[in-house]
Parts: sequence; C-alpha cells; structure tokens
Amino acid sequence: EAGVTQSPTHLIKTRGQQATLRCSPISGHTSVYWYQQALGLGLQFLLWYDEGEERNRGNFPPRFSGRQFPNYSSELNVNALELEDSALYLCASSTLAGVFTDTQYFGPGTRLTVL
Amino acid sequence: AQSVTQLDSHVSVSEGTPVLLRCNYSSSYSPSLFWYVQHPNKGLQLLLKYTSAATLVKGINGFEAEFKKSETSFHLTKPSAHMSDAAEYFCVVSEGGTYKYIFGTGTRLKVLA
Repeated sequence: EAGVTQSPTHLIKTRGQQATLRCSPISGHTSVYWYQQALGLGLQFLLWYDEGEERNRGNFPPRFSGRQFPNYSSELNVNALELEDSALYLCASSTLAGVFTDTQYFGPGTRLTVL
Repeated sequence: AQSVTQLDSHVSVSEGTPVLLRCNYSSSYSPSLFWYVQHPNKGLQLLLKYTSAATLVKGINGFEAEFKKSETSFHLTKPSAHMSDAAEYFCVVSEGGTYKYIFGTGTRLKVLA
C-alpha cells in the first residue's frame, strides 16, 4: 500500500512569492493534515481538511491556505512568503476511524527555503 | 488544554544498552498518546500508540511505552539500543474532538558504538 506522498521534495522561493505544496493521502483516507516543522519552533499544526472542507486551523496567518480536492489530495498555498516560512512542511492523512483512536500517517515532507 | 513535555532534548546511550525517553502529558480527560520517530530529512513514522485498551503498549522495532495515569507519563523504552535507532523521537497527544496533534519538542537519541 502506497504511503502519503508529497511534492515537490524541495522548493526554493524568494521573499514575497507564492509557494504551492501538494499532498496525496493514503488510499481510503479522507482527512489530510498539514504541519510546519521550523527550526527552533518544533512541529506545529497548520490545517486540517476532511471531505473537501477545512475543519480546523492552527495559529497561522491567513496567507497560509489550502484546499482538498474530490480525490482527497490536498494543496497548501503560502502567499507573500517571508524568510521565517522556511521550514519542512509535513502532510499526514487518516481515516477518522474515531476521535480517540485515529492515527495520522505522515509523508516525507517538502523542504521550503525562502531566500 | 492538552500539552506534552519531553523531559530530555538529547539522550546518548551505548549500543546494546537500554533506552528511556521520557514524556509527560497534561490532559483534561483520557488522552490518545503516540510516539513517532523521525530519521534525518525524513517524515514521521509511527512507533506506537495508546488509546486506553492496555497501559503497556508494544510498538515496532522493539519499542514499548507504559501509560501511567497517576504520573501523567508515557515514557518510551527499548531493552537494547541499535545504531539504527539514532533519530529524533516525538511524543504526541491527540486533542480530543479536533483530531489535532500536539507535539512535544522532541528528543534526539544518539547511539554510541
């Protein structure tokens, strides 16, 4: 069974540009989560999508946005890039089997570098 | 609000000796707890999870963790470290009702030959 896939592996942008990151969940998973792993800040929850809707959002500005497509894949968009957006962005998926038993499976990440 | 504290940012052990990575949690009710491992420049791999079925949880690669409600702890152990265990380990609590994961700050495990 294929795992969560993310593209691209690496992305280099300059300040002020927009970045688009993509994620394909495990087959059968309807939920996709995005996390930011920035140096010195640890892993922080960004966004959660399920059945095409945004269900929850972390403490990030509105220039971080995304969407989920009918095939459950997802896109994370970061507008007006700032230097501090440089980080590893991890995507995870789950089946929402139950709020107390749900397990998230992570992809390898996209390393975004903002120059 | 739920939170998780990993008590050691770095742990060094010799190959073949036991591993102990400490994690304490704070939760208003019975939480779901997880340990994930991250090898350099890789994503996160699930080691094990606690969901109230049994307090001693066995995971992959010989790891296990014990949920102790009285101590609000969920420490990760392995009887004998292997060089391939060198990685960063994250303790995670799942925030009930939101499916949001709350991560600890991570413990970097170094295994010495």
